[in-house]
Amino acid sequence: EVQLVESGGGLVKPGGSLRLSCAASGFTFSSYSMNWVRQAPGKGLEWVSSISGTSTYIYSADSVKGRFTISRDNAKNSLYLQMNSLRAEDTAVYYCARVNGRSWLDYWGQGTLVTVSS
Amino acid sequence: EIVMTQSPATLSVSPGERATLSCRASQSVSSNLAWYQQKPGQAPRLLIYGASTRATGIPARFSGSGSGTEFTLTISSLQSEDFAVYYCQQYNNWPPLTFGGGTEVEIK
Repeated sequence: EVQLVESGGGLVKPGGSLRLSCAASGFTFSSYSMNWVRQAPGKGLEWVSSISGTSTYIYSADSVKGRFTISRDNAKNSLYLQMNSLRAEDTAVYYCARVNGRSWLDYWGQGTLVTVSS
Repeated sequence: EIVMTQSPATLSVSPGERATLSCRASQSVSSNLAWYQQKPGQAPRLLIYGASTRATGIPARFSGSGSGTEFTLTISSLQSEDFAVYYCQQYNNWPPLTFGGGTEVEIK
């Protein structure tokens, strides 16, 4: 059974940093691209960042470029999102999601809440 | 960036009735479109990919159609567990991957 479990969310002050993790199991992690998608309270879904199976291809949304860094450790079956210079507008539930095919997202974690507030 | 627009924002439907949700792309995405269902407090769940292919375990009452810029998600006979928010997502031309704003299907 495919499982994705996020952790690392919490309350952080504006300008602060946080590192999210996503532990994957039930599939060959290195064979799949992975994404981070976020959802601000009461809002829709926003794609954040994507990383290919071997980390060759990395893409990020303009809204987080230069501040957030996606990475992965295939030996640990883990995906990460390093978030620096956090802003109030980064407050959201952050989901990790597995990419299938041409880039639909077939499995999602339960999400981890990041709150940026003073 | 391809902008995805969903309509209506809210759809009021009685159990057992048919629901039709629309998604429009600002430019052609071919058939590279997915639909997701999200219930309160839960993660999104993949329903449809390739515009019309049901994901594993998705009931046959869910169907997707369309190509190019106009897409439809149809729920043939709404069950109580189908009341949720539905999102479309294009993956034809990215980055960025883009989602529609969502349609909430509520009980009439």
